[in-house]
Amino acid sequence: DSGVTQTPKHLITATGQRVTLRCSPRSGDLSVYWYQQSLDQGLQFLIQYYNGEERAKGNILERFSAQQFPDLHSELNLSSLELGDSALYFCASSLGNQGPGSGANVLTFGAGSRLTVL
Amino acid sequence: GDSVTQMEGPVTLSEEAFLTINCTYTATGYPSLFWYVQYPGEGLQLLLKATKADDKGSNKGFEATYRKETTSFHLEKGSVQVSDSAVYFCALSEGNTGNQFYFGTGTSLTVIP
Repeated sequence: DSGVTQTPKHLITATGQRVTLRCSPRSGDLSVYWYQQSLDQGLQFLIQYYNGEERAKGNILERFSAQQFPDLHSELNLSSLELGDSALYFCASSLGNQGPGSGANVLTFGAGSRLTVL
Repeated sequence: GDSVTQMEGPVTLSEEAFLTINCTYTATGYPSLFWYVQYPGEGLQLLLKATKADDKGSNKGFEATYRKETTSFHLEKGSVQVSDSAVYFCALSEGNTGNQFYFGTGTSLTVIP
């Protein structure tokens, strides 16, 4: 158990629907990252939050949104789902901004949420 | 911008063979470097890390040395086992870019008995 909890583990839904994925970071970690892993595109960075604020944005579609709540858990909302959104969605957490060269900023991953869009 | 280039796979080796997976990076500052491993059906796990030039990270028989002069962080293991079959990701993180993480595309390793 990595300490990062993701729910649900599996989700099957239809095109056009909306889903919410939830992540609880490891205790003490302030940063949450979301990644999408699909067979053809590898591991894609979506978005990062630090202590409730958006910190960095990657290849996140406009149909997707996320937020980090005061208790530091995060949710990734995926709407108007398409077949191509089928993927593993990983959440990861880290201690947070530690400055250049810090070795403390290690990413800890959850087990992932597998989304299947039919 | 920052990026990581990783040796493409898949790689298939016999048990007890020597493993090298190449990784080179581009960074504006002084990044920390990581190798993560993903076993089938699981999330990514930290395998080893190095935080400054000439540091050697090691874990479970795997090693990688942070080479600033060649901007490389190649993963090596002297004798692989079937249980090492997994996907390996090289990654970097820089504090001065908000501690974003940049991952390589992953290299799939299969070890056959």
